[in-house]
Amino acid sequence: DQQVKQNSPSLSVQEGRISILNCDYTNSMFDYFLWYKKYPAEGPTFLISISSIKDKNEDGRFTVFLNKSAKHLSLHIVPSQPGDSAVYFCAASENPNLGSQGNLIFGKGTKLSVKP
Amino acid sequence: KAGVTQTPRYLIKTRGQQVTLSCSPISGHRSVSWYQQTPGQGLQFLFEYFSETQRNKGNFPGRFSGRQFSNSRSEMNVSTLELGDSALYLCASSGNRGTYNEQFFGPGTRLTVL
Repeated sequence: DQQVKQNSPSLSVQEGRISILNCDYTNSMFDYFLWYKKYPAEGPTFLISISSIKDKNEDGRFTVFLNKSAKHLSLHIVPSQPGDSAVYFCAASENPNLGSQGNLIFGKGTKLSVKP
Repeated sequence: KAGVTQTPRYLIKTRGQQVTLSCSPISGHRSVSWYQQTPGQGLQFLFEYFSETQRNKGNFPGRFSGRQFSNSRSEMNVSTLELGDSALYLCASSGNRGTYNEQFFGPGTRLTVL
């Protein structure tokens, strides 16, 4: 049973527009959420995170929104650029610290294509 | 500062064989985690080592094992390979603070089991 779901395998957006990537989770114990970006032939790169005590975290063009009651988070990229084309993974954990209870659970990813 | 390195980058094995993958973390990092990425299951956590001790383990069979050396380099071993073990195996290292957002991934080892 998937605890973290990214229901859209792919998303295509025009350069300059907003990209919205969605993620749903089922485990109410999850307290810490992250987004990673992955280019082909490279490992994932950490993008942005959010703790459950917040509902929004912003870093430059990237903003993550968390709706705990709906068990839903989203990543907004504004404005989208062709270099943002990659696979984006949502991940969740009960704790932000490695080695603590619970592991990092990933979604299956959404492939974002930003067209010039 | 050099990133996380993994060797080999590509590997082809046959069913029943065993394989050892290697990961060298970023200098000074003491935590090394391993993940398996497959098209069907996505990215799944295998285990994490810190100062030569396994600190956390995912839900994988005992055929998957690992170890960490005193220089923080880590190896992962898979015995009696099955077709379903074909995957990209990713290693990630983390510094003393040991938080997920400070975890840096290597490029992975692509294992193909025939």
